Amino acid sequence: GEDVEQSLFLSVREGDSSVINCTYTDSSSTYLYWYKQEPGAGLQLLTYIFSNMDMKQDQRLTVLLNKKDKHLSLRIADTQTGDSAIYFCAESGNTGKLIFGQGTTLQVKP
Amino acid sequence: SAVISQKPSRDICQRGTSLTIQCQVDSQVTMMFWYRQQPGQSLTLIATANQGSEATYESGFVIDKFPISRPNLTFSTLTVSNMSPEDSSIYLCSVDPRDTQYFGPGTRLTVL
Repeated sequence: GEDVEQSLFLSVREGDSSVINCTYTDSSSTYLYWYKQEPGAGLQLLTYIFSNMDMKQDQRLTVLLNKKDKHLSLRIADTQTGDSAIYFCAESGNTGKLIFGQGTTLQVKP
Repeated sequence: SAVISQKPSRDICQRGTSLTIQCQVDSQVTMMFWYRQQPGQSLTLIATANQGSEATYESGFVIDKFPISRPNLTFSTLTVSNMSPEDSSIYLCSVDPRDTQYFGPGTRLTVL
């Protein structure tokens, strides 16, 4: 069945770039998403990319998609302490339902 | 984007009781979904709430335990029935207005 995998933890220093990686198995994925969840909060949609795109940039966020390797990454430039959260990668097919990865906890040290 | 609200935001319930969670969207949407996030875990889809017909449940979830209503294109409810401590989770509603999917703030449920 469909599966989405992420590394569980990433620690960076404030001001550095963070790169969070994700792999997925469903080759029919239509959209791939990145969500952010802060402690005690719901899910915030950060960005998404359509499966026929290679890259999408939105301010400090850059999403790279390698469809051949089924690999997605989220780069956060100039990481701030406010970026500390859990980041979820998710993919969807044409049914609209999302398959989520386990989440990557990003720790930003001052 | 879509603005989604959920009620209640949190609740503490006794074993064996039921809780109904409401989800309201500020615009008409075709697709509404209910997810569960167990403590320290990722999100799992419970069901797709279909307007005017029965919900479509994912493997491992059944209508008797999680009855869902979808009376119109802006509102849905999820009931967690005959609760046990294993049902303690965050329950999130989401909508898919135009190929992007937004989530409500979630309902944090604790079952004692």
